[in-house]
Amino acid sequence: NAGVTQTPKFQVLKTGQSMTLQCAQDMNHEYMSWYRQDPGMGLRLIHYSVGAGITDQGEVPNGYNVSRSTTEDFPLRLLSAAPSQTSVYFCASSYVDRDQYKFFGPGTRLTVL
Amino acid sequence: AQSVTQLGSHVSVSEGALVLLRCNYSSSVPPYLFWYVQYPNQGLQLLLKYTTGATLVKGINGFEAEFKKSETSFHLTKPSAHMSDAAEYFCAVSEGTGNQFYFGTGTSLTVIP
Repeated sequence: NAGVTQTPKFQVLKTGQSMTLQCAQDMNHEYMSWYRQDPGMGLRLIHYSVGAGITDQGEVPNGYNVSRSTTEDFPLRLLSAAPSQTSVYFCASSYVDRDQYKFFGPGTRLTVL
Repeated sequence: AQSVTQLGSHVSVSEGALVLLRCNYSSSVPPYLFWYVQYPNQGLQLLLKYTTGATLVKGINGFEAEFKKSETSFHLTKPSAHMSDAAEYFCAVSEGTGNQFYFGTGTSLTVIP
């Protein structure tokens, strides 16, 4: 199993540009989520999905869109990048049961100039 | 409502000394609790978890944590610190439908030779 994979590892954008961060998992997990990590703030949930065709907002959803057309993939879209979106982004997946821990991807480091 | 508080954003210990990283939570339901470790420029890796049963749980790399309901705490300990333990540690609580995780702000552990 490859686990949770994320691409790209690094990205630099200019303000106003759009891009998609890719996330895929091969463990047949129902639950997938995106977090952003900022210094002193821990990990904050952006969006999550409990299955194909189902998505919902987390703590900090503004400026981001997601979709879940397959069990395996959960892309995160930035429609118009802003400097405040400079962060490290992590994708995580798990089964939906509460006792199931999350598997994390290696992260994408995004800089918005 | 749920939240996780990690006291001490930075902890320094000497090699061979006891490691104690503090985590307190609030939860409206019986909590499921997790500790993750993040090495530099990597994703998060599960150290240990508490769901039900024994309140003292053992994890990887010699770490353990004790769930204390009366104190709403889940502190992480290791009897003897090793240089390789230097990393960022995150406490998390799982709550709600769909296995949502809420993270603390993290504690950076430095091990002094």
